[in-house]
This record gives sequence, structure tokens and C-alpha cells, in this order.
Amino acid sequence: DTAVSQTPKYLVTQMGNDKSIKCEQNLGHDTMYWYKQDSKKFLKIMFSYNNKELIINETVPNRFSPKSPDKAHLNLHINSLELGDSAVYFCASSPGIAGQQYFGPGTRLLVL
Amino acid sequence: DQQVKQNSPSLSVQEGRISILNCDYTNSMFDYFLWYKKYPAEGPTFLISISSIKDKNEDGRFTVFLNKSAKHLSLHIVPSQPGDSAVYFCAASGRKPDGGSTLGRLYFGRGTQLTVWP
Repeated sequence: DTAVSQTPKYLVTQMGNDKSIKCEQNLGHDTMYWYKQDSKKFLKIMFSYNNKELIINETVPNRFSPKSPDKAHLNLHINSLELGDSAVYFCASSPGIAGQQYFGPGTRLLVL
Repeated sequence: DQQVKQNSPSLSVQEGRISILNCDYTNSMFDYFLWYKKYPAEGPTFLISISSIKDKNEDGRFTVFLNKSAKHLSLHIVPSQPGDSAVYFCAASGRKPDGGSTLGRLYFGRGTQLTVWP
């Protein structure tokens, strides 16, 4: 009965590869987010979708492409992985655009 | 440009005592503040929040105080328990300094590691 789930939990891959991270929420929320927590521990928003529509697209390399097939899912595809992409990626959701957000357990990505 | 700052990376407190975690912000248009707690290898979980129309919000052992004039908030945990040992993130939302919409963005501090020892 996990509220916000992410797969995989760990991802180790080589530079140059393409990988995807999946996120699902069963809370019935309209808004979903992707955050990146870098080595300095800052949690920074990357993207936000509201009712499957992209509403926030921070200054993120276009190698990162989010996709929301429906309100309950938000996936993140990363092309041509680089060493600097190594981080923990968190998915989150909220009932609407503002207010409390519920986070998934994170995906630990290591690019070698 | 960090709009939310947690200047203490760590805090160590004895069990039963009060833990006080601090947070400062620079954007006077922020109107909603949250505290999240994070255990290793897990996502942040919501702890308590406060709206800018209040200066205090209490939930059990946790109290958040907001001082708008100083752009400062603090989280008090009384009494502290070993299970409270975690990283605590302060977050804020509201409008941009120019009044523009932030579309619900949460701006996070970099966290404070709280260790409660027996």
C-alpha cells in the first residue's frame, strides 16, 4: 500500500547509456514532481506535472525527459548519462499545485 | 541562490532534552513553511507545517515557530527521542519576490542531521 513508489531503487550504469526511472502514486493526486538531491544534499526540483501537463521545467539538460502517461505515473528518461548525473532522484506528488508533497523512497543513480 | 538556509549541518542532543532546529529564508513572499524528516535510504516525510498567518503550530512533541520579521522559523522537539535521529529539511513555498507564481515549488534547505543520544 505504498503511497509513492519508484523503480528501481538503485541504478548503476556506464557513462553514455540511456536509463529510465519510474514513479507511481496511488493517492489520487493531480500533481507529480521529480527532484534531484546532489552530493551537497540540496533537494532541487526538476519537473512538475499537473493533470499530465508539464508546468515546471527547471534549468535541466534536455537529456532529461519526463513523461506522464496518466495522472498516477511520472517517468524520467535520461539520455547519454554523464558522471555528474550521479545523485538521488526523488519523485513526489501532491493533491494540487500548492501544499504538502509526498515523496517516494528515491532512486540512487551511480554513473561510472 | 538559496532562498532557504539551514546553517547548522548537524545537532546532537541528549534523549529527553529539547532539540531546536533553525531555518532562515530570504524571500518575504513565502507564505507556507514545512518541515520534513528523512531517514537514510528513504524519502522525506512530512512532519509539520505553518502558514504565514500564524506564528506557532503544535503537533504532539513537535512545535514550529515562525518569526516573519526575522524571516526565521524553528522546529522544537520536546522531549527528544533516539527515534528522532534523522535529517530534518525546512521547506518554503509562496510567490516569487516580484509577486510572480512559483507554481507550487517547494524550496528546500540543505538539511540538519539531528542525533539524539541516550
